[in-house]
Amino acid sequence: DAGVTQSPTHLIKTRGQQVTLRCSPKSGHDTVSWYQQALGQGPQFIFQYYEEEERQRGNFPDRFSGHQFPNYSSELNVNALLLGDSALYLCASRRRGVNTIYFGEGSWLTVV
Amino acid sequence: QQQVKQSPQSLIVQKGGISIINCAYENTAFDYFPWYQQFPGKGPALLIAIRPDVSEKKEGRFTISFNKSAKQFSLHIMDSQPGDSATYFCAATGSGSNDYKLSFGAGTTVTVRA
Repeated sequence: DAGVTQSPTHLIKTRGQQVTLRCSPKSGHDTVSWYQQALGQGPQFIFQYYEEEERQRGNFPDRFSGHQFPNYSSELNVNALLLGDSALYLCASRRRGVNTIYFGEGSWLTVV
Repeated sequence: QQQVKQSPQSLIVQKGGISIINCAYENTAFDYFPWYQQFPGKGPALLIAIRPDVSEKKEGRFTISFNKSAKQFSLHIMDSQPGDSATYFCAATGSGSNDYKLSFGAGTTVTVRA
């Protein structure tokens, strides 16, 4: 049973560029959330998707956007990258109605 | 503002000792409290979780204690082993407007000395 899978694992981008991160949820899960974890801090909630719609959003600017596909996989897009966007981006999945939330290994984004 | 406060920031324990991490919350809508273990360069792994209708939950060497009236909960790691050296995060989520969103503490780095 595959867990939450994310790609790419590491990437380096230049300020002002755009990035797309991808996530496949754990088998049987239909709800995907994205979190940003800066070095030495706890994860911060970005947004959550189910039924292909954004359902809840944290305190992140509109430069952060996402998408969920019919197979429940998801993408996180960040436009106009800033140095402060450098972080570990975590995807988490769950089955609706169940609070147990599992995380992937994350995508390390470095903005230079 | 941080909805879940976690302490201490770091702790060192001898092998075989007990590690204790404390968390406090304000939002009474929270009704699910998981703990995650994170190793360097890895994603958080679900360790154990509790609901407020239970005062204690034990899984192996890991025990959560929950005090609903004080809005506090803690993780005890018994017989700590060097392999337990990691960062531990408490978190909280709930139904209603907080549903699906985990609010995390700032994390506690545990070092177990052999």
